[in-house]
Amino acid sequence: QVQLQQSGTELVKPASSVKISCKASGYTFTSNYMHWIRQQPGNGLEWIGWIYPGNGNTKYNQKFDGKATLTADKSSSTAYMQLSSLTSEDSAVYFCGTGFAYWGQGTLVTVSS
Amino acid sequence: EIVLTQSPTTMAASPGEKVTLTCRASSSVSYMHWYQQRSGTSPKLWIYETSKLASGVPNRFSGSGSGTSYSLTINSMETEDAATYYCQQGSSYPLTFGSGTKLEIK
Repeated sequence: QVQLQQSGTELVKPASSVKISCKASGYTFTSNYMHWIRQQPGNGLEWIGWIYPGNGNTKYNQKFDGKATLTADKSSSTAYMQLSSLTSEDSAVYFCGTGFAYWGQGTLVTVSS
Repeated sequence: EIVLTQSPTTMAASPGEKVTLTCRASSSVSYMHWYQQRSGTSPKLWIYETSKLASGVPNRFSGSGSGTSYSLTINSMETEDAATYYCQQGSSYPLTFGSGTKLEIK
């Protein structure tokens, strides 16, 4: 069965960076888009972008240009999202999802000094 | 960017009641997806391409619409249907979600 296992909770300082992982199993990793979504506390869902692991192509929501960088490692079927120059506004739960039908459990990122 | 406006923001329904949630797009979209999210969990794809039920979704749910107006209907509300429902368009970038309708049981 399709599973997406995300890395654990992160507590990070302002102005730093964090890299979240999403390990995929149960399907062909290289043939499906991996999307990333943000959910700020008490808020709705925002699409950050996608990566196509087969060729590394990416598409970003302009709002997250320069904030998020998506990468993928075909050898380990793992997608990554790096968030940079973190502020309190970046405190949120981040989800990975393939085709939007399957989602990871979410990674909570808290930005605090 | 296509803005999706969901209504109502919050509502409560009694068991057995018919419920309709609405999603309006700022520009025409080809289809709409719907997600169910319970507190503290990941969203689940609930209805895709406007009217197709995702795997495991009870057939008391249905979806309809076209252009700028879409809806999700529950024929007969059940306790387990209490959750937040989000619509999402995939017709143009950036992909966008509605702000959600929180559905509670009376």
